[in-house]
Amino acid sequence: QQQVKQSPQSLIVQKGGISIINCAYENTAFDYFPWYQQFPGKGPALLIAIRPDVSEKKEGRFTISFNKSAKQFSLHIMDSQPGDSATYFCAQGHTGGGADGLTFGKGTHLIIQP
Amino acid sequence: GAGVSQSPRYKVAKRGQDVALRCDPISGHVSLFWYQQALGQGPEFLTYFQNEAQLDKSGLPSDRFFAERPEGSVSTLKIQRTQQEDSAVYLCASSLGVYGQGGGMQETQYFGPGTRLLVL
Repeated sequence: QQQVKQSPQSLIVQKGGISIINCAYENTAFDYFPWYQQFPGKGPALLIAIRPDVSEKKEGRFTISFNKSAKQFSLHIMDSQPGDSATYFCAQGHTGGGADGLTFGKGTHLIIQP
Repeated sequence: GAGVSQSPRYKVAKRGQDVALRCDPISGHVSLFWYQQALGQGPEFLTYFQNEAQLDKSGLPSDRFFAERPEGSVSTLKIQRTQQEDSAVYLCASSLGVYGQGGGMQETQYFGPGTRLLVL
């Protein structure tokens, strides 16, 4: 499967700050890019997702920025809170055709310091 | 409503033992996925069911891995002759519609809490 490369591996942000996690993909055939949040001992939960026909999507404090030409997308968490401390995964998938599941990045361990 | 449930939550097996992991998807969900998550890594796709049909099993790492969903609801992932490299968290996810045929965004995949398998 084509990889999606995620960085940084870990991130420490002060409470109230902006957390930024980046991902880069290789295959332009993918047209669905979600971000998942995972707490210890839990399964991943969808946070926000985007298609490449838009450059930005915002839901509350969470924003995805998408750069189609650079094949990159990023998650911005505004006003980061200690409850946001978790592992975040970007992923890629298809909206039409195929049944090969989602391809996930390796994850970013985010710590929000109070 | 109830989410995706998985059992057991933890399983310790001796090398060479067979194990069976169960997934109860959200009621009415057509699509069901299995993923394997190694420690400190992202989930990796194993297999996909649409109702009872296994449409993709390209991610299964070996022929020791077998999955079924005979009545289109509960699914079981079976691992025969377990090896130490099989130690991981096995995640199940379900989604309401048919994968890949969403008119707009893909159907959200809802994950269960996973089964943590440790092979000694």
